[in-house]
Formats: sequence, C-alpha cells, structure tokens
Amino acid sequence: QKEVEQNSGPLSVPEGAIASLNCTYSDRVSQSFFWYRQYSGKSPELIMSIYSNGDKEDGRFTAQLNKASQYVSLLIRDSQPSDSATYLCAASNFGNEKLTFGTGTRLTIIP
Amino acid sequence: DTAVSQTPKYLVTQMGNDKSIKCEQNLGHDTMYWYKQDSKKFLKIMFSYNNKELIINETVPNRFSPKSPDKAHLNLHINSLELGDSAVYFCASSTGPNQPQHFGDGTRLSIL
Repeated sequence: QKEVEQNSGPLSVPEGAIASLNCTYSDRVSQSFFWYRQYSGKSPELIMSIYSNGDKEDGRFTAQLNKASQYVSLLIRDSQPSDSATYLCAASNFGNEKLTFGTGTRLTIIP
Repeated sequence: DTAVSQTPKYLVTQMGNDKSIKCEQNLGHDTMYWYKQDSKKFLKIMFSYNNKELIINETVPNRFSPKSPDKAHLNLHINSLELGDSAVYFCASSTGPNQPQHFGDGTRLSIL
C-alpha cells in the first residue's frame, strides 16, 4: 500500500467551476500535510499547508483535513486555465522527519 | 534573487562517468534535501541534512554521495552513472524537518 495515494487523473474541470483534488494517507501519525503545484517541466511550488482538522482557506484555495478518515483534499474555486498542472499531496510526521509525496493528480481546466 | 538554486540545469553524460550537482539556498534555512523525480513524475526523497548533519538517508545506491560544506549548500556527487539514473533531481530547503519545503528548478540528468 502506498503511503500517500492520489488519483492520477487526468481530472478535467470547466473554467469557473470548482476543482476537487483528493489524497489519502496510510500513516496514522502523520501530522503535517502539504499541497504542491507542479507545472510541466517546472519545480514543485507550495500552495497550502495544513496541520489541524478542518478547513484552511487561502484565496481561491481551500485545504481540508480529516485525520480520523486519513483524508486531505484541495478545493480550487473559480478554476482558471492557469490552474492546469499536476498537484502533489505530501504528508510528514515528527517521527521520521521526511515528506512522503503522492504520485500527483493532473488537472486540466477547460476554457 | 533565486531562493534555491541548482547547477547545472541540464546534464548530459555517458554511462560510467562521475558527475556532481550543486545546490545553494539563500533563505537561511537549516534543512536541505535531495529528491529524484523519475519519468512517471514520482518525487522521492534521497537525502536530507539538518545544519550540515545527515538526518535522512533513504535506500539509495552508495554511488550517490551528498556533501554539505555548510548549511546553505548541499551538493550531490554521483559515481559510475547508470542509465537508470536518468531523472530530474531537485534540491529543496526548509526551516526544519516537517516544515514546508522550497524547491530549486531541478537538474535534468540524461545518461547516454
């Protein structure tokens, strides 16, 4: 079982709609969670970090964490073509001191 | 000003050669990392240093040797390059383990 799992996609969403990206993790002691965006041929770029259960909003992005269900999600409101990229979910815990990445979800926003 | 910079950006070389990739960060971070991203885009940790001390050493062939001369630099030396080493190698840094990481632009290594 992969430690961090994401649907590889591609996920296609019409411009202006809400894009919903999901991630599950297997290590129950994971405490820190991150969403990165990676454009083709570029480096990963941090979008959101979340550490507590519930929602965290930043502009058009909302991260949601449910530790009981071991589930993290990222919502992108008013999706724009510039949001088309691969989104990487990552988890870490204070025990092993490393980030474990999922394989990423490729998102395409259709104009 | 580039926060995490890697050189070279591209590296094309033949099997069996030895090569190095350099990384420098000007963010004042204590922790630096090397990742390998393969053709399937999976990003996997290789090494991590915290204040010049090795804290993560994943299952990586010993042909790969990291070196941190100071906490702003983390270099990666690779001996006897093999075809399977072809990938993009990313350097990253953070204020500490488990904190958000900032990535360099990557080094695309191609083995002929």
